[in-house]
Amino acid sequence: NAGVMQNPRHLVRRRGQEARLRCSPMKGHSHVYWYRQLPEEGLKFMVYLQKENIIDESGMPKERFSAEFPKEGPSILRIQQVVRGDSAAYFCASSPLGQGNTGELFFGEGSRLTVL
Amino acid sequence: GENVEQHPSTLSVQEGDSAVIKCTYSDSASNYFPWYKQELGKRPQLIIDIRSNVGEKKDQRIAVTLNKTAKHFSLHITETQPEDSAVYFCAASIGGSYIPTFGRGTSLIVHP
Repeated sequence: NAGVMQNPRHLVRRRGQEARLRCSPMKGHSHVYWYRQLPEEGLKFMVYLQKENIIDESGMPKERFSAEFPKEGPSILRIQQVVRGDSAAYFCASSPLGQGNTGELFFGEGSRLTVL
Repeated sequence: GENVEQHPSTLSVQEGDSAVIKCTYSDSASNYFPWYKQELGKRPQLIIDIRSNVGEKKDQRIAVTLNKTAKHFSLHITETQPEDSAVYFCAASIGGSYIPTFGRGTSLIVHP
């Protein structure tokens, strides 16, 4: 059973470009979470999704950031018109639905975005 | 919303010593408290967790204690080894929602 897969692992963008980060949850998991990690800081919650639904996006900046988890395919975190402050590691995590959910999050290896 | 404070931010110990990391939380409704270990450049991974109906839990050299009244919980690592060197994150969440709020992390350095 493959773990949570994130790609790309490293992404370099110039200011004003768009960044798209993809996350495939573990097999059998239907919950996806995105967290942002800045140097010397913890994991900041951004958004929680289930298939075709955004459950909680209270941590998402109101502008330029969006997320989706379509019926088919990976979850995508999209950052439009990137700025230098968007440079960070973006971690995706997944968990199963229902009684299989113990609360543990299974993290991917992260996508490290650098904005020049 | 929930706020989790974690101390210290950096902890340096000699191999064989014990290490203690402390966290406090603000939302009295929180009832699930996991700890994650993140090695350099790697993904965070769960090492131990505790629920509010338990005061202490042990797994070999690691233990976690919870004081619900004071809203404190702590991670204890005994007989530290160089491979314990990593960043450790505490978190708190409300059962059912399971969206953990993380502390800022503690960088543990174990000197051989």
